Amino acid sequence: DTGVSQDPRHKITKRGQNVTFRCDPISEHNRLYWYRQTLGQGPEFLTYFQNEAQLEKSRLLSDRFSAERPKGSFSTLEIQRTEQGDSAMYLCASSQRTTRGVRETQYFGPGTRLLVL
Amino acid sequence: TQLLEQSPQFLSIQEGENLTVYCNSSSVFSSLQWYRQEPGEGPVLLVTVVTGGEVKKLKRLTFQFGDARKDSSLHITAAQPGDTGLYLCAGPLDYIPGNMLTFGGGTRLMVKP
Repeated sequence: DTGVSQDPRHKITKRGQNVTFRCDPISEHNRLYWYRQTLGQGPEFLTYFQNEAQLEKSRLLSDRFSAERPKGSFSTLEIQRTEQGDSAMYLCASSQRTTRGVRETQYFGPGTRLLVL
Repeated sequence: TQLLEQSPQFLSIQEGENLTVYCNSSSVFSSLQWYRQEPGEGPVLLVTVVTGGEVKKLKRLTFQFGDARKDSSLHITAAQPGDTGLYLCAGPLDYIPGNMLTFGGGTRLMVKP
């Protein structure tokens, strides 16, 4: 059973550099989510995809952030011109949308911890 | 102000003690999920509660969803050091069509041997 995987697990970068993170969801899941978690807080929603369509973006997702899921499988999250305030754990989750009217459960990956110096 | 308030924020207890963690909101949730998170790792799902008044048990853990689907509790009986971690409640808001999760701030539990 392969769960959600994320790469890299850790990233240290200098302010102003661009970084890209990858998420591979559970294979049969058609929904993929990105969250951000700062130290001592619960995760906050950033954006989500159903198949390849990006359906929702949080106001937390500034213009420097972009996410893609080109083939409806893996997803990438890019941060351009990183700032120290971008330092956080970036979490990916996936779920399988159901037609039964019940909100499906999300399963999380191990996260990518970003440190911007 | 967070939509989901968890209490207490921190809890340090001795092995063998019982404890309850609360998750409260003024908003209705379609369901609530409880996760446990270890340092440097992603949240791991413990349980999903869907129906108002629902009670679910997972070994020494008992989860309850409030009748109005605005609150939930997690009770641990005879806590063990392996229960140490950050406990998060989360759910999709009933009035938002997407499935994005709103999280509480978490309860950090430490169980000392």
